[in-house]
Amino acid sequence: DIQMTQSPSTLSASVGDRVTITCRASQSISSWLAWYQQRPGKAPKLLIYKASNSESGVPSRFSGSGSGREFTLTISGLQPDDFATYYCQHYNSYPWTFGQGTKVEIE
Amino acid sequence: EVQLLESGGGLVQPGGSLRLSCAASGFRFATYAMGWVRQAPGKGLEWVAVISGNGGDPFYAESVQGRFTISRDNSKDTLFLQLNSLRAEDTAVYFCAKDGPRIGYYGELDYWGQGTLVTVSS
Repeated sequence: DIQMTQSPSTLSASVGDRVTITCRASQSISSWLAWYQQRPGKAPKLLIYKASNSESGVPSRFSGSGSGREFTLTISGLQPDDFATYYCQHYNSYPWTFGQGTKVEIE
Repeated sequence: EVQLLESGGGLVQPGGSLRLSCAASGFRFATYAMGWVRQAPGKGLEWVAVISGNGGDPFYAESVQGRFTISRDNSKDTLFLQLNSLRAEDTAVYFCAKDGPRIGYYGELDYWGQGTLVTVSS
């Protein structure tokens, strides 16, 4: 199985900051990677698909990059609504797996 | 508007069974693959299973293979997950999710239900 490792696990930041979350795959997954945002008590929301494509309706401050084994999610200009937990997920092959999550907290 | 509404969760004893349902609306259900993802209390997301639009090609996480069965009734726009031989570690909120509209592959879950809680305890 392909393992997905996110870093950091927790990130403290302020409104307006630029933050970057990293996701590493245990083997190459080409660009078969998605990013999700989950607010407490809510369902996950798809932000990015195929590593760098923004889902319709997602604010432009969210961007994704990478291919192969290393990927990043960047939030340019953190907003109050962005304090949440973010997950990467590969879909290169079965079983799909998620990273362990990165919680973005208010500093 | 796409809506996914899960039901069927509850308290069950170890070794017991449950059947979860997910009623879909707002899109052509039979056209899209559908999946289940779970989240144990205070933990991260875990993919459970996926099924193609026509009901073929089910795939499962190793942790549930042989115990859980995903199925769908396209005449009723409903997705199911049969949970058998339940264990304490299966305790989680179970989300159903719709696969994205991109052609030729599965994997991007673009709409999610609010989840149904399954608690396995004696």
